[in-house]
Parts: sequence; C-alpha cells; structure tokens
Amino acid sequence: DAKTTQPTSMDCAEGRAANLPCNHSTISGNEYVYWYRQIHSQGPQYIIHGLKNNETNEMASLIITEDRKSSTLILPHATLRDTAVYYCIVRVLKNTDKLIFGTGTRLQVFP
Amino acid sequence: GAVVSQHPSWVICKSGTSVKIECRSLDFQATTMFWYRQFPKQSLMLMATSNEGSKATYEQGVEKDKFLINHASLTLSTLTVTSAHPEDSSFYICSALQGRTEAFFGQGTRLTVV
Repeated sequence: DAKTTQPTSMDCAEGRAANLPCNHSTISGNEYVYWYRQIHSQGPQYIIHGLKNNETNEMASLIITEDRKSSTLILPHATLRDTAVYYCIVRVLKNTDKLIFGTGTRLQVFP
Repeated sequence: GAVVSQHPSWVICKSGTSVKIECRSLDFQATTMFWYRQFPKQSLMLMATSNEGSKATYEQGVEKDKFLINHASLTLSTLTVTSAHPEDSSFYICSALQGRTEAFFGQGTRLTVV
C-alpha cells in the first residue's frame, strides 16, 4: 500500500505558485520522498526527491518538514503544461526497492 | 534525464492471442525494471519487478503465467500478455532504475483486446 496521502485535486492560476502537499506520517528514517507527475496518457515524469533538506531543481522545489511527516512540492510559476496528476512517493534507496504509487493530486492550471 | 523507450505505443489484438511489449533503457544500463498497469482514471499498479538475468518477482494477485517477463539484457525487458482477453485492455508502463536513486518511465503502451 502507498504510504502517502494527497488531496484528490487542486486548481492553480497560470503564473502563480502551485503548492502541492503530501502527508507521509509513517515515513522511516531511511526513506526518501519522491515526486513524479503524469500528464494524460503518458508515462510518469521524475520531478524531484529529497531526504531531510529542502531541494530545488529547474522544475520545482521540495520542502520537507523537520519531523519529515509531510512535504510540499512547489511549482513556482505554474503554466498550462503543468496540468497533470502529481504523485508523492516514499522509498528506500536501494536498487530493488519498488515505487508504489498512491492516488496522487490532479492539478488543473487555468488561464 | 535518462530515456526509457517502450514499443509499441499502442496495440490492438484479438482475444486469445499474445502480445509482447518491449522496454528499453536507451542511454543507461538497468539491472532492475518495473512493470505497471493503469486502468482509466486510476493510479499505476505495480505488476512485477524484473531483474536482469533472473526471474521476475510478481506482486500479489498478478498471474505470472499470464504476464511473462523477460529481462535478458541490461537494456531490455519484455512483457508478454498471453492469451489476452478484453479485461487485459489497459495502459502498460515500464520503469527502469538508473543507479540507486532515480527511476525513469517509458511512455506507456495502450493495449486494446477485441
């Protein structure tokens, strides 16, 4: 079973920041938080991952709370092409560890 | 990011026939690949873990004799849906691990069994 809970859907205006929350209250000390997104009828796309510290890349920022029980993915300037289902996943970093997807958050960016 | 390619992108087959789907890591070697299935408006469901040179590990409830997985090289895994039926119609997606940290996904294969 997925170890994360996310809101079913969210809306965001184009150009605004999209903040997508994720709850992972049972996360273990060696589990990382991963974010992927899936645009309709495509395979998931890797966005970012982190363990404890906040992370930023060209796509997004990941804010992880100090107790690591929740995190927020931030798309700083959402565009219409960011409309997708966003999945938050916790995973141990070893080469056999599976990525188990939850239900994700459907983000709709509107003009 | 790394590239994972699936072929075909879509396929229509007759009930009772078998269909093979290929998953290739184009610019890296992947000792581990994963196969998922996704029904409309649902999340991805993990079917099996494919390890190069060894037997696949199937998730509970997935029939290993129906969904044959072969991972013969570090860049290729195949999923064969045997004796396909309409209820097997779905979106099949593979994923390949690059090193220990990142998993990259193929573009998916839409299977329709008529």
